[in-house]
Amino acid sequence: DTAVSQTPKYLVTQMGNDKSIKCEQNLGHDTMYWYKQDSKKFLKIMFSYNNKELIINETVPNRFSPKSPDKAHLNLHINSLELGDSAVYFCASSQPRATGKISSYNEQFFGPGTRLTVL
Amino acid sequence: GENVEQHLSTLSVQEGDSAVIKCTYSDSASNYFPWYKQELGKRPQLIIDIRSNVGEKKDQRIAVTLNKTAKHFSLHITETQPEDSAVYFCAASRGLTGGGNKLTFGTGTQLKVEL
Repeated sequence: DTAVSQTPKYLVTQMGNDKSIKCEQNLGHDTMYWYKQDSKKFLKIMFSYNNKELIINETVPNRFSPKSPDKAHLNLHINSLELGDSAVYFCASSQPRATGKISSYNEQFFGPGTRLTVL
Repeated sequence: GENVEQHLSTLSVQEGDSAVIKCTYSDSASNYFPWYKQELGKRPQLIIDIRSNVGEKKDQRIAVTLNKTAKHFSLHITETQPEDSAVYFCAASRGLTGGGNKLTFGTGTQLKVEL
């Protein structure tokens, strides 16, 4: 009963190729995220979708295109892969609950990660 | 935007000692501060969090303190055990209405608990 799952776990590919990473969550959450963790372990948000709508889009090259077919899935497609794209990519999800004027903050559940190696 | 600094990249303690990891943040509108633990090759997992309306929160051997005036928050682990060895990330967020619950992470602290 995996909460947030990603496929594939490992991805090795040549520079210039196009690849996709899939993410699915069975928690019923409305919000999903993509993070990139580089070789120095730095975790940085790339995108966030809330109920299939893009709400966060950090300064990520437009070679990266997220797609959310439904609120349980957020896939990441990468065109023309470069050496610098090598990293671990984590998907995450959370369930925002707005309570009046108070911002809601909810735990983000991470997937197991996809280690992308570009040769 | 928010900038979260985690000054200690590594911290070594003896088993049974306490460990403290401190983070500073820049955005005074940030109001949610979680701490994540990441074991080698695993996913980050939330271990404790604190909202800006409280100054301290405790859960068994771990606690978090928040000083909004000074814009810093700290993770405290008491009676450390070998299984506490991991990378710990602090993060800050404005919450839902402040930007989609975007978490800005610190650079991580590798905690090593030595026998």
